[in-house]
Amino acid sequence: NAGVTQTPKFRILKIGQSMTLQCTQDMNHNYMYWYRQDPGMGLKLIYYSVGAGITDKGEVPNGYNVSRSTTEDFPLRLELAAPSQTSVYFCASSYGPRQGKGTDTQYFGPGTRLTVL
Amino acid sequence: AQSVAQPEDQVNVAEGNPLTVKCTYSVSGNPYLFWYVQYPNRGLQFLLKYITGDNLVKGSYGFEAEFNKSQTSFHLKKPSALVSDSALYFCAVRDRHQAGTALIFGKGTTLSVSS
Repeated sequence: NAGVTQTPKFRILKIGQSMTLQCTQDMNHNYMYWYRQDPGMGLKLIYYSVGAGITDKGEVPNGYNVSRSTTEDFPLRLELAAPSQTSVYFCASSYGPRQGKGTDTQYFGPGTRLTVL
Repeated sequence: AQSVAQPEDQVNVAEGNPLTVKCTYSVSGNPYLFWYVQYPNRGLQFLLKYITGDNLVKGSYGFEAEFNKSQTSFHLKKPSALVSDSALYFCAVRDRHQAGTALIFGKGTTLSVSS
C-alpha cells in the first residue's frame, strides 16, 4: 500500500490565485481529513469527510472548499489565495466506526508546503 | 472544550539517557490519546495510542507512554535516547464517544538528542 499520498509537495501562489491540493489513500478508509500546520501551533482541522459525498467543516474552514466523490480521493480547493494561507497542509485518513476495524488511528500524508506571496 | 498541552517547546537529552516528553489533556469524556512523531520535511508518523486497559502503552521505536487519569497526563518516555530520535513530537486527544472525528493536537515538542 502507498498509504496517503499528496500532490504537489511544494507550491508558490500569488495572492488571488486558486489551486487544488490533491490527496489519495489506498487503505479503503471511510474517513479523511485536511489539517494545516503552522509553526508553534500544532495542527488545525480544516475539513473532514466521513464517506463519499459527505463533508463537514473543521476548526478553520474559511477560504477552503472540499469534495469527496470517491472513497480514495479528497481534494482541497483554495479559491482566492491569501498570505494567511501560507502553511503546510496535511491530509490524513482513518477507518470509520462502521468499518468494524476496531481502530480509528489516523494516517498522514507527507504534506504540501504552500507559500502565498 | 477539548485541549492538549505540551508544556515544553524543547527537550534536550544526551544519547543513552532516558527521555520524557510531557502531555496533559482536557476532554469532556474518557479520552483516546495518541503520540505522533514528525521528522524534518515529513508527515506525521503514528507512534502509539491509549484506548483502554493497561495504563502503560508500548509503541514503535522503543517508545512508551503512561496514561494517568488522575493527573490527566499521557507522558511519552524512552529508557535510552538515540540521536535518531531527534524530531518534533505531537500529543493528540479525542473523546472516545466521538468516533472518527478529528484529533486535537498539542503544539508539539522538539526533542533534541545529543551524542
